[in-house]
Parts: sequence; C-alpha cells; structure tokens
Amino acid sequence: KAGVTQTPRYLIKTRGQQVTLSCSPISGHRSVSWYQQTPGQGLQFLFEYFSETQRNKGNFPGRFSGRQFSNSRSEMNVSTLELGDSALYLCASGQGSDSPLHFGNGTRLTVT
Amino acid sequence: AQSVTQLDSQVPVFEEAPVELRCNYSSSVSVYLFWYVQYPNQGLQLLLKYLSGSTLVESINGFEAEFNKSQTSFHLRKPSVHISDTAEYFCAVSERGKKSSGDKLTFGTGTRLAVRP
Repeated sequence: KAGVTQTPRYLIKTRGQQVTLSCSPISGHRSVSWYQQTPGQGLQFLFEYFSETQRNKGNFPGRFSGRQFSNSRSEMNVSTLELGDSALYLCASGQGSDSPLHFGNGTRLTVT
Repeated sequence: AQSVTQLDSQVPVFEEAPVELRCNYSSSVSVYLFWYVQYPNQGLQLLLKYLSGSTLVESINGFEAEFNKSQTSFHLRKPSVHISDTAEYFCAVSERGKKSSGDKLTFGTGTRLAVRP
C-alpha cells in the first residue's frame, strides 16, 4: 500500500503570495489532518477533514484554509504569506480516532 | 484539552547503552498514546501506540513504552541503542473513542536522541 504522498516537497515563495499544498492519503483512509512544524512552536494542529467536511480546526488565522475532495485527497492553502509561515507542513491520514495517523514526508515551505 | 510534556529536549547516549525518553501527559478524558520518530528531512513514523489492553507495548525495533495511568506517563525505553536510532522522538495523545475529536493529535515538543559511538 502506498503511503501518504505530499507534493511538492519544497517550495519557496515571497511574502504576500499564496500557496497550495497537496496531500494524497493512504488508500481507504477518509481522514486527513494537517500539521505545521517549526523549530520554535513544534508540531501544531491546523485542521482535519473527514468525508469532505472540516471536523476539527486548530488556532490558526483564516489565511490558512483547506479542503478535501471526494477521493479523500486534500489541499491546504495559505494566502498572504508571512515570513513566519516558513515551516514544514505535514499531512497525515487515518481511519478514525481508534487508529494511529500515518504521516507524509511533508512540504517544506520557505517564505522570503 | 490535552497537553504533553517531554522534559528532555536532548538525550546524548553511547551506543549499546540503555535509554529512557520521558513523556507525561495531562487530559480530562481518557486518551490514546503514541510515540512517533522523525529522521532528518522526513515526516513522522509511528513507533508504537497504546490503545487498550496491556500497558506495556513494544515496537519491532526494540523500543518499548509503558502506560502508567496513575503517573500519567508513557515513557519510551530501549535496553541497547544503535547509531541508527539517532532521531527526534515525539510523544502524542488523542482523545479516546470520541468521534467528534477526530484524529487530532497533541504532540510534545520532542526529544532529540543522539547516539554516540
């Protein structure tokens, strides 16, 4: 079974631009979560989607948004990028709260 | 709400020595517990999990962790480490069996295990 796939692996953007990150979950997984990892703040939960509906949301500004498609693939969008948005963005897929999450290798976003 | 504390940000240890990485959690509800490992430039890999049953759980590469409800701890141990165990280790919790909580994980700040020859 293929693992969680995130594209692209690396991204460099300029302040003020917007960016879209993509995540393909493990086949059969209906839940997709997004996390931001930075040296200062560690791993922080962004949001979770299940069957195309946002089920949970973390404490991030509205510039961070996401969506999930009918095939469970998910995208995350960040608008009006700030320098502080530079981070590793990790996507994880799962089958429910009784089973562990499986993570992709992440997209490293650098904002200049 | 839950929180996870990993008191040791770095743990240096010599090869073949034993190691313990500490994890304590706080939660008003029952939780599931996980240890994830992250190698450089990679995502998180599940190392082991406690969902129910035996409080001692083991991984395929020699790590084990014991769930201690009274001390709200889930410490990770390995009797003899290898150079290849050098990585960052994250302890995480999620709410037990609550569909509305979904798959949200709360992570600790991580412990960097540095194995020296």
